[in-house]
Amino acid sequence: AQSVTQLGSHVSVSEGALVLLRCNYSSSVPPYLFWYVQYPNQGLQLLLKYTSAATLVKGINGFEAEFKKSETSFHLTKPSAHMSDAAEYFCAVTGRGSGNTGKLIFGQGTTLQVKP
Amino acid sequence: KAGVTQTPRYLIKTRGQQVTLSCSPISGHRSVSWYQQTPGQGLQFLFEYFSETQRNKGNFPGRFSGRQFSNSRSEMNVSTLELGDSALYLCASSLGAVSGGPNQETQYFGPGTRLLVL
Repeated sequence: AQSVTQLGSHVSVSEGALVLLRCNYSSSVPPYLFWYVQYPNQGLQLLLKYTSAATLVKGINGFEAEFKKSETSFHLTKPSAHMSDAAEYFCAVTGRGSGNTGKLIFGQGTTLQVKP
Repeated sequence: KAGVTQTPRYLIKTRGQQVTLSCSPISGHRSVSWYQQTPGQGLQFLFEYFSETQRNKGNFPGRFSGRQFSNSRSEMNVSTLELGDSALYLCASSLGAVSGGPNQETQYFGPGTRLLVL
């Protein structure tokens, strides 16, 4: 069974600083991994996903994440935070078997605060 | 292309009632997944429908049910509402390809229906 853990429910950075949101997964086989962002009163928007092609994945709005099998991690980074990045971020995992079809397993989320 | 739409956006019900929520997927998408989002439990998978058939199911009681129509629109129903059912209910659509690894497809989420049970 897959699971995902997001370290830190709340992260605060200054505008222009590096953003690092941590995600560790548990899976017996290489999983598919996703990062989503949720703004207040909205649904989730995909930032990027890992599907076993390149281990460094580039997404929208300057975000990227690196799949590290040895560390079972998929941390999300952005070199320079912008005020508009303030939102809740979710890491999600799914497996490859038919029993995982359509099913994303989410972490508890990390709220990113960006200070001026 | 229009995104995923959900209706209604807000609902207030009382305990014991039932409720039906609707989700219209992106045109051409055949898979619809439903999720419940609460502050305590986070985002949890309810079920997924593809070609009018439930293809996967999460660990929710039988009070939670769903269906999908031939145009891929989906509804979920919650019967005998409990206070703990208060949540944001999100649906997501994807192509749902039968071959080629549907699990890696992006799920596109709607804005959600916020249900309050009093």
